[in-house]
Amino acid sequence: DTAVSQTPKYLVTQMGNDKSIKCEQNLGHDTMYWYKQDSKKFLKIMFSYNNKELIINETVPNRFSPKSPDKAHLNLHINSLELGDSAVYFCASSSGTGPGELFFGEGSRLTVL
Amino acid sequence: AQSVTQLGSHVSVSEGALVLLRCNYSSSVPPYLFWYVQYPNQGLQLLLKYTTGATLVKGINGFEAEFKKSETSFHLTKPSAHMSDAAEYFCAVSDVRSNTGKLIFGQGTTLQVKP
Repeated sequence: DTAVSQTPKYLVTQMGNDKSIKCEQNLGHDTMYWYKQDSKKFLKIMFSYNNKELIINETVPNRFSPKSPDKAHLNLHINSLELGDSAVYFCASSSGTGPGELFFGEGSRLTVL
Repeated sequence: AQSVTQLGSHVSVSEGALVLLRCNYSSSVPPYLFWYVQYPNQGLQLLLKYTTGATLVKGINGFEAEFKKSETSFHLTKPSAHMSDAAEYFCAVSDVRSNTGKLIFGQGTTLQVKP
């Protein structure tokens, strides 16, 4: 069983389109995250939810909207895609909100043409 | 603000040689420190972490790291490299006072292992 699973793994789309990435964790964790990894492999946090409540919202364009229907799921919706949105998006989870180990999904590679 | 610097974006070693990946951090208080590994086309996996206590921490796959407060460093070592160690390695820091679980990552170091 995959602990943190993301779908789709690959996503190729045109500029201006709207797309979603889904994430599910079966670890029973309370906190989930979205990280963005750019072409230089730099990882930066985008959002974090704890028990469906948004606790981190970094300076991300409002075209990005996370949604957490329950504590096991955290989806990412992106409107009006731009070339610069091309990246690998990682979902992660952890137990609690204190500093600790994050469990990452395998990533979703988004390519905007 | 906290930050992490990994010296050397690319490290190449021969199989069987010592692996040394460097990480320095900046933090106003002693942080929690982590090393993660990313194999090609996979997510990140925790190698080891320092929170409190013993400053030399051992992780998976024979890796270890030592927290040196005076040098603000947390370098990752392995006595003998294996071909399967070839991957991207990330050092990360988390504020001990943080209640968000947020990790700040370094820019990563690509480890190449030559036969």
